[in-house]
Amino acid sequence: AQSVSQHNHHVILSEAASLELGCNYSYGGTVNLFWYVQYPGQHLQLLLKYFSGDPLVKGIKGFEAEFIKSKFSFNLRKPSVQWSDTAEYFCAVNQAGTALIFGKGTTLSVSS
Amino acid sequence: DGGITQSPKYLFRKEGQNVTLSCEQNLNHDAMYWYRQDPGQGLRLIYYSQIVNDFQKGDIAEGYSVSREKKESFPLTVTSAQKNPTAFYLCASSSQSGGTYEQYFGPGTRLTVT
Repeated sequence: AQSVSQHNHHVILSEAASLELGCNYSYGGTVNLFWYVQYPGQHLQLLLKYFSGDPLVKGIKGFEAEFIKSKFSFNLRKPSVQWSDTAEYFCAVNQAGTALIFGKGTTLSVSS
Repeated sequence: DGGITQSPKYLFRKEGQNVTLSCEQNLNHDAMYWYRQDPGQGLRLIYYSQIVNDFQKGDIAEGYSVSREKKESFPLTVTSAQKNPTAFYLCASSSQSGGTYEQYFGPGTRLTVT
């Protein structure tokens, strides 16, 4: 079955530490990849997306993600996290004409 | 302001009762979606609709029903057949289904069934 896996359930970092959240998918063929973020008490919102071209995509708030096709991965990175990055992060995948399928999410806690 | 409205924010029901969750969008989007969010489970797709009067089952459709009579509205009914209905329900919409179209999410409805 098609699925999206996020390796880390809960990540705890200090401010200024670097972040990398893993995401792997099991779809065959062409996929579109997304990272969404849910800040405490707020709507789910899009961080960044990849559909073609440069496999390194940049999103809002200094986040970036790299698509590695051979590894079926789309890992999220940020060089230096801030306390305000504390949130739940979701990787999601779709194909043409289908809804997004989400991973189980990673909770990021950043201490100041 | 354009966006997605879900009401109510909190909903309480007794076991055995059907309950309908509202979702309205004024973004002129063709596609709409319902997800269920449980701690540690991420978002799981219940139903989605690519166009008025059409909808498809998602991964966990059992015990739920939907209708799409208007472009703006996609109500979700949680029936008494749903074994574990207590959850946070999120509605979303996008210009079209799939592809690179961003899905926009509503604020959610937290349903508690006792």
